[in-house]
Amino acid sequence: DGGITQSPKYLFRKEGQNVTLSCEQNLNHDAMYWYRQDPGQGLRLIYYSQIVNDFQKGDIAEGYSVSREKKESFPLTVTSAQKNPTAFYLCASKKRESGYTFGSGTRLTVV
Amino acid sequence: SQQGEEDPQALSIQEGENATMNCSYKTSINNLQWYRQNSGRGLVHLILIRSNEREKHSGRLRVTLDTSKKSSSLLITASRAADTASYFCATDAGGNNRLAFGKGNQVVVIP
Repeated sequence: DGGITQSPKYLFRKEGQNVTLSCEQNLNHDAMYWYRQDPGQGLRLIYYSQIVNDFQKGDIAEGYSVSREKKESFPLTVTSAQKNPTAFYLCASKKRESGYTFGSGTRLTVV
Repeated sequence: SQQGEEDPQALSIQEGENATMNCSYKTSINNLQWYRQNSGRGLVHLILIRSNEREKHSGRLRVTLDTSKKSSSLLITASRAADTASYFCATDAGGNNRLAFGKGNQVVVIP
């Protein structure tokens, strides 16, 4: 079945540590997105990529980095520069003029 | 930046009743989309309505769009306990192929 897979489901990060969240899709979608969701809040866009080897900053890109070396994969690195990384992270992909397909999310906690 | 704003923020209804949520936005759009999120999960795309459409149905869902008022409504008819979730509207303003999400409506359907 086609879909979008995020891993891990839960992730714990120590202070000053970089961590990478995985996002893989087999839907043959060109565009992929990373969102952050805080409790009681909507989704805020971190980074997005409309095509392989190209990506753009969203509204809250500081402290995050991404790569798009393959169409299927769009990993997100939360760097030590992100001072408040505890949140629920959602990856999505889409075709133009259609709705998004979301992964099941990664919950990141700083310990 | 956040585009959609849903109203009301929280809604509690009895099973079998109808649930209505509203969303307003600020700029011109290509389309508006509604998503559902169960607790701790990813978002699921429900319905997309284009700027030249006024009403759309999908099963028990009815969405309206009033571009002159920059607003949309989502109606869930004959609600079920399984409809308990948060519902988000999102607007696609075109150009950069990205969505702006509202903060969501939490709906609780009491059996």
